Amino acid sequence: AQTVTQSQPEMSVQEAETVTLSCTYDTSENNYYLFWYKQPPSRQMILVIRQEAYKQQNATENRFSVNFQKAAKSFSLKISDSQLGDTAMYFCAFMKLHPWAGSYQLTFGKGTKLSVIP
Amino acid sequence: NAGVTQTPKFQVLKTGQSMTLQCAQDMNHNSMYWYRQDPGMGLRLIYYSASEGTTDKGEVPNGYNVSRLNKREFSLRLESAAPSQTSVYFCASSEAGLAGVGDTQYFGPGTRLTVL
Repeated sequence: AQTVTQSQPEMSVQEAETVTLSCTYDTSENNYYLFWYKQPPSRQMILVIRQEAYKQQNATENRFSVNFQKAAKSFSLKISDSQLGDTAMYFCAFMKLHPWAGSYQLTFGKGTKLSVIP
Repeated sequence: NAGVTQTPKFQVLKTGQSMTLQCAQDMNHNSMYWYRQDPGMGLRLIYYSASEGTTDKGEVPNGYNVSRLNKREFSLRLESAAPSQTSVYFCASSEAGLAGVGDTQYFGPGTRLTVL
């Protein structure tokens, strides 16, 4: 079974600064997907970024980027130029790649509560 | 294009009552999912449907049943609600079908359920 660990229950960052959220995972799979989801106070789960394990290049989406270290099983999220709207819970999630291995289940970490301070 | 919609948004039940949570998606996705989120926890999969006509258990299926009514709709039923089922329930959908590989899941706004 896969496990996803987010070791920082809460973090804060000044507006316009950069912050990095940590995520580690445990799996015996070689091919998989990793995701970061954002959950603002509205409770809506919003996809921030995704990474395919077979790709060596780190994914980026505007101000959001990841540092994917496959050997270390680490998948951190960097938010640059933090904005007040980035205040939310952030969840790291793991998905196996192949249907016959049960690829449809996302395994989530417990989340990191990020507060952006004006 | 509404994405994934869920009804109701809030519900309070008494122990032993039954209810059905409704979910619909308009993205022509093949796969649909039901998750629950408890305080201090990430989401955990209850059931999923890889395609119309199929359903499978996830991590925490006990006390729940599901129906994939058609490609758009996937309902979750609590036959005899218990306080342990107090949670926020999320429906999600993704393009992947039986022949697909893992891909991005898109979530509805959630239903907050309280069982007294």
